[in-house]
Amino acid sequence: AQTVTQSQPEMSVQEAETVTLSCTYDTSESDYYLFWYKQPPSRQMILVIRQEAYKQQNATENRFSVNFQKAAKSFSLKISDSQLGDAAMYFCAYRSALGGANSKLTFGKGITLSVRP
Amino acid sequence: EAQVTQNPRYLITVTGKKLTVTCSQNMNHEYMSWYRQDPGLGLRQIYYSMNVEATDKGDVPEGYKVSRKEKRNFPLILESPSPNQTSLYFCASARTSTRPGELFFGEGSRLTVL
Repeated sequence: AQTVTQSQPEMSVQEAETVTLSCTYDTSESDYYLFWYKQPPSRQMILVIRQEAYKQQNATENRFSVNFQKAAKSFSLKISDSQLGDAAMYFCAYRSALGGANSKLTFGKGITLSVRP
Repeated sequence: EAQVTQNPRYLITVTGKKLTVTCSQNMNHEYMSWYRQDPGLGLRQIYYSMNVEATDKGDVPEGYKVSRKEKRNFPLILESPSPNQTSLYFCASARTSTRPGELFFGEGSRLTVL
């Protein structure tokens, strides 16, 4: 079974600075997806960024980028130029790419990010 | 607008009183699923459905039932709720006909069982 580990329960960053959130995972599969979801106080689950395992290039979405290390099974999220609106809980998640299988997202426990003005 | 709609958003009930949380999606997605979120545990899958009349257990199915009679709807049923089912619940949907993409989540339903 796949597992996702987020070992830091909380982090803090100064506004306009850069912060990196860590995530490791364990799987025996070679084809999968990795995601970072943001959950603000509104509780809505918002997809921040996704990475396909077969792509070597790290995904980027504006101020958000990932460092995907497949051999190390590491998937960290970097937030540049942090803004007050980035304060939220962030979840790392894994999903198998096998078509027809239970397309379950396996989540880490989450990390609470606070942004200091 | 593409969306997953859950109702109710908030509910306080008492032990043993049957309740249903509805979930509806307008994207013609085959796959639908329910998750519960608890502090320190992240989100865990309760049940999922690959298509109409095809449901199966996730990681924490005890105390829950689901049905999938129509493609768009996937209600979560708590036949006899207990306090340990107090949680934040999310419904999600996705396509399965092509390579899996991200799940689309509803806005969550906060359930309190007294």
